[in-house]
Amino acid sequence: SQKIEQNSEALNIQEGKTATLTCNYTNYSPAYLQWYRQDPGRGPVFLLLIRENEKEKRKERLKVTFDTTLKQSLFHITASQPADSATYLCASNTGNQFYFGTGTSLTVIP
Amino acid sequence: NAGVTQTPKFQVLKTGQSMTLQCAQDMNHEYMSWYRQDPGMGLRLIHYSVGAGITDQGEVPNGYNVSRSTTEDFPLRLLSAAPSQTSVYFCASSYTASGGARDEQFFGPGTRLTVL
Repeated sequence: SQKIEQNSEALNIQEGKTATLTCNYTNYSPAYLQWYRQDPGRGPVFLLLIRENEKEKRKERLKVTFDTTLKQSLFHITASQPADSATYLCASNTGNQFYFGTGTSLTVIP
Repeated sequence: NAGVTQTPKFQVLKTGQSMTLQCAQDMNHEYMSWYRQDPGMGLRLIHYSVGAGITDQGEVPNGYNVSRSTTEDFPLRLLSAAPSQTSVYFCASSYTASGGARDEQFFGPGTRLTVL
C-alpha cells in the first residue's frame, strides 16, 4: 500500500542555520506533496504544495524540492529562528484519500 | 470566517458510551475529513466526504460513523467507545481532493478524547 515516511527522529539546529527535513514515498507516484506545520496542541497548518513536475518551490524562507527519481521531497527552512520550532508533516493524496507522514519535530536553539 | 470549528475540545468517556464529535466549516468547502492522531502514528484518515450526501471510509473507519447532510457540517459518531479510541481527533476541509492547489486542507483545533 502507498506510504509516506518521514524521519521520526527530532532535529535540533542552531539559530541561523538551514534546517532540512525529508519525506519519502513508496508504492505510488503522488501528483503532488504538501507540507504542513503543527504546533503542540493545535491542528496542522498548510505551508506549501509542490507538484511532481516542479523541481523546486519557494515561499519566503521555505524551499521544497520534489525528486521523482529518489521518490523524495526535501523541505528547507533557511535562516532558521526559534519560532520555527514545530513538527512538520508531509502529505499527499490518492483517490480522495490523504496520507500523512508521522512528522519531524524541529527545535531551533537560540 | 471562523474556518473549521470542532466541539468539544476535551471529552472523557467510559467504555461503551457513545458520543458525537461536531465539525463545521464556513468556507463552502466540498471536501471534509476526520483524522485521528496518535503518538508515533501520525494523522490517519477515518472517514471523508466529497460533498453533501456522500461519505466514504478512510484508513481506520471501524467504530466510527459519519454523515454529511449539509456542506457545512460533518459530525463523527463513536458508536460504543473503546480505550483504543483514546486519541486526538482532527476535522479538516478543503475545496477539493482532486490533485491540485485547491487541495490545501484547513484543520480544526482538535478534540482530545480519553476513553476509560
